[in-house]
Amino acid sequence: EAQVTQNPRYLITVTGKKLTVTCSQNMNHEYMSWYRQDPGLGLRQIYYSMNVEVTDKGDVPEGYKVSRKEKRNFPLILESPSPNQTSLYFCASSWTSRGELFFGEGSRLTVL
Amino acid sequence: GQQVMQIPQYQHVQEGEDFTTYCNSSTTLSNIQWYKQRPGGHPVFLIQLVKSGEVKKQKRLTFQFGEAKKNSSLHITATQTTDVGTYFCAATGGSARQLTFGSGTQLTVLP
Repeated sequence: EAQVTQNPRYLITVTGKKLTVTCSQNMNHEYMSWYRQDPGLGLRQIYYSMNVEVTDKGDVPEGYKVSRKEKRNFPLILESPSPNQTSLYFCASSWTSRGELFFGEGSRLTVL
Repeated sequence: GQQVMQIPQYQHVQEGEDFTTYCNSSTTLSNIQWYKQRPGGHPVFLIQLVKSGEVKKQKRLTFQFGEAKKNSSLHITATQTTDVGTYFCAATGGSARQLTFGSGTQLTVLP
């Protein structure tokens, strides 16, 4: 089954404790992207990757890092989480940056 | 970056009433996509429009792309409780290679 898998789905952590949200897709998509969703703000892009080893900043990259060592995986790293990073995070993938996006189930992160 | 304005932010309708959400841009769009997110779920792709004046239908849903390719609408005829959720538009345009999402319209259908 074609899917985008994110882990963890839910996480409560404390300020400053490094965490990684994993994302994996099995559709051989070249394009992958991370979004955060906050009430009234829609989906805002954090980082994206056009292909392996190619990543770039989206609209709200501050406080986040990503890597794309393999085509299927695109982890989101919060080196030192802060409360303003409390949000619902979605990973998505597609064949191109303008194509239909396939979203993961989402990861709800709370930073205390 | 590119801005896509979506209205309304919230809409409550009685079951059986129609519903429309609109997306507007000040710049010409290359394409526009529509997604639906059920409560507690993730966005799911509904459709993509690329041509000026394009109209597409999916059962009770009608999608339109404006003649000037600066606006789009999603219209639901005779809403049902299964239509509940947030509807997002997402578009690319100009030099923007990324999809920019509107802020979404949250639809509540009252039985």
